[in-house]
Amino acid sequence: DQQVKQNSPSLSVQEGRISILNCDYTNSMFDYFLWYKKYPAEGPTFLISISSIKDKNEDGRFTVFLNKSAKHLSLHIVPSQPGDSAVYFCAASAEGNQFYFGTGTSLTVIP
Amino acid sequence: NAGVTQTPKFRVLKTGQSMTLLCAQDMNHEYMYWYRQDPGMGLRLIHYSVGEGTTAKGEVPDGYNVSRLKKQNFLLGLESAAPSQTSVYFCASQWTIYNEQFFGPGTRLTVL
Repeated sequence: DQQVKQNSPSLSVQEGRISILNCDYTNSMFDYFLWYKKYPAEGPTFLISISSIKDKNEDGRFTVFLNKSAKHLSLHIVPSQPGDSAVYFCAASAEGNQFYFGTGTSLTVIP
Repeated sequence: NAGVTQTPKFRVLKTGQSMTLLCAQDMNHEYMYWYRQDPGMGLRLIHYSVGEGTTAKGEVPDGYNVSRLKKQNFLLGLESAAPSQTSVYFCASQWTIYNEQFFGPGTRLTVL
């Protein structure tokens, strides 16, 4: 049973526009969330995190929003750049160590 | 500072053969993890370790064993490989809880 879901397998966005990637989870005990970016034939690279005591965290062009009541988080990338084209995974944990990953969303930024 | 490295990068096995995947980290991290990634499944946790000499089961541990004899190394073993174990295996390390995990480049394993 998938505890973390990314229901959009792919997303295409024009360069300079906003990319919004979504993630839903089912376990109300999850209290720490991560977003990773993955290029083909490479390991995932950490992007940004958020704990359940916050509802927003920003790092440069990347912002993560957490809606605990809806069990939903989203990653906003503004402005989107061609180099952002990759697969994005969200991950969630209840104790800050064992993470459950979503199935990923493939983002394509069109120049 | 190499971060997290994995050996080998690619491997082809026949059903029933055994092998060991090596993960090494030079960041003095306490926690280490083994994941597998299959198409449409995301990353799934196989086993993990919260410190030298410790191991614990993750989400999909069957058919795998692990050892953490040294803090910097985490080994994943397949005693009798099966085609269902064809996957890309990722190792990760984490300094402490509620921190990000750092991933290695992956090992692509094919079991015929």
